[in-house]
Amino acid sequence: GQNIDQPTEMTATEGAIVQINCTYQTSGFNGLFWYQQHAGEAPTFLSYNVLDGLEEKGRFSSFLSRSKGYSYLLLKELQMKDSASYLCAVVSGYALNFGKGTSLLVTP
Amino acid sequence: DTGVSQNPRHKITKRGQNVTFRCDPISEHNRLYWYRQTLGQGPEFLTYFQNEAQLEKSRLLSDRFSAERPKGSFSTLEIQRTEQGDSAMYLCASSLPGQGKGEAFFGQGTRLTVV
Repeated sequence: GQNIDQPTEMTATEGAIVQINCTYQTSGFNGLFWYQQHAGEAPTFLSYNVLDGLEEKGRFSSFLSRSKGYSYLLLKELQMKDSASYLCAVVSGYALNFGKGTSLLVTP
Repeated sequence: DTGVSQNPRHKITKRGQNVTFRCDPISEHNRLYWYRQTLGQGPEFLTYFQNEAQLEKSRLLSDRFSAERPKGSFSTLEIQRTEQGDSAMYLCASSLPGQGKGEAFFGQGTRLTVV
């Protein structure tokens, strides 16, 4: 079975740093993705991790620990446009299995 | 626009009717996925195609749902005898081949409302 957990909601201030955690228990593991989804829009790719460690991409970084079944997405220098849902997805077999998403609200 | 295209964008249907949605993936992508998403939830995997072969199908998928990708290009998702619980956003995604990596690009989705 698949179990992917993320906090439901988070709030952070413009210019700050926020960390969104994701824990997973899946029957197979071929990598972990983070997607961003604005309300009413399609998910868009942010990052991919398959080996342990940190992947940095501009203001966004993603970390993976396979032994702990844990990942986080780190967003730096938050901007108002970063208010969105952030989806953690684990590749198991052929499918991307998504968590329920974390709704991030960035306040002035 | 060379992204994933889905049609129609919105569909309102009466309970019990059949509906069909179309997805045109990015042209060189041989992997195609269908997902369903309801408000406040993440996308739920429905089915996966590699070229024209349907390789994986969610066990949660009712027999009323069927998907095809006859020539390995566009795909259709049909829902027969729709129920109110089928109301959701239906998302299509495509990706390049490659174990694990190869991010999926999503279409804008078809929003289905069953009344």
